[in-house]
Amino acid sequence: DTAVSQTPKYLVTQMGNDKSIKCEQNLGHDTMYWYKQDSKKFLKIMFSYNNKELIINETVPNRFSPKSPDKAHLNLHINSLELGDSAVYFCASSQFPATDTQYFGPGTRLTVL
Amino acid sequence: TQLLEQSPQFLSIQEGENLTVYCNSSSVFSSLQWYRQEPGEGPVLLVTVVTGGEVKKLKRLTFQFGDARKDSSLHITAAQTGDTGLYLCAGLITGGGNKLTFGTGTQLKVEL
Repeated sequence: DTAVSQTPKYLVTQMGNDKSIKCEQNLGHDTMYWYKQDSKKFLKIMFSYNNKELIINETVPNRFSPKSPDKAHLNLHINSLELGDSAVYFCASSQFPATDTQYFGPGTRLTVL
Repeated sequence: TQLLEQSPQFLSIQEGENLTVYCNSSSVFSSLQWYRQEPGEGPVLLVTVVTGGEVKKLKRLTFQFGDARKDSSLHITAAQTGDTGLYLCAGLITGGGNKLTFGTGTQLKVEL
């Protein structure tokens, strides 16, 4: 059984488009995260939610908007996509914020043309 | 921004060799984690070290947390091809939302 799943796995789109990435975890965790991994494999946190409440909001353009409809889901919507948004986006979850083991999804490779 | 520098950035060795990966920072961390990431997958936690000077062993992997909790090392004995992957350290600073800061990564390739 997949613990943390993301859809889609690959996303290729044109500049200026709006796209969403979905994440679901079946681990019963209270905390979920979005990370961005760039072409140099550097992994950086973008957002974190605990019990559907936003607790970390890093310096991310406001074109990125996370939404957590319930504890098991955390979606990421991106408006007006830019070339620099091309990266692999990972969703993760843990029981407690950051102090606990984080379980990562398989990633969504976003390519903006 | 707390920066975690890993060295080396790339490492290509033969099976059976030993290697050490370093993770250094000027910041003090509450704990430090090591992850391994394989192509097309998300990082998977290997270990968490919490106490300064702590040493943890996971089969052929030995992890050490620096006395001042600013640095860490990962030593692999008799590397195997299955050890190939991207190794990431991540430091935790508590407070302000508790977030992990990831290192710059070490890409390890072990060949026959």
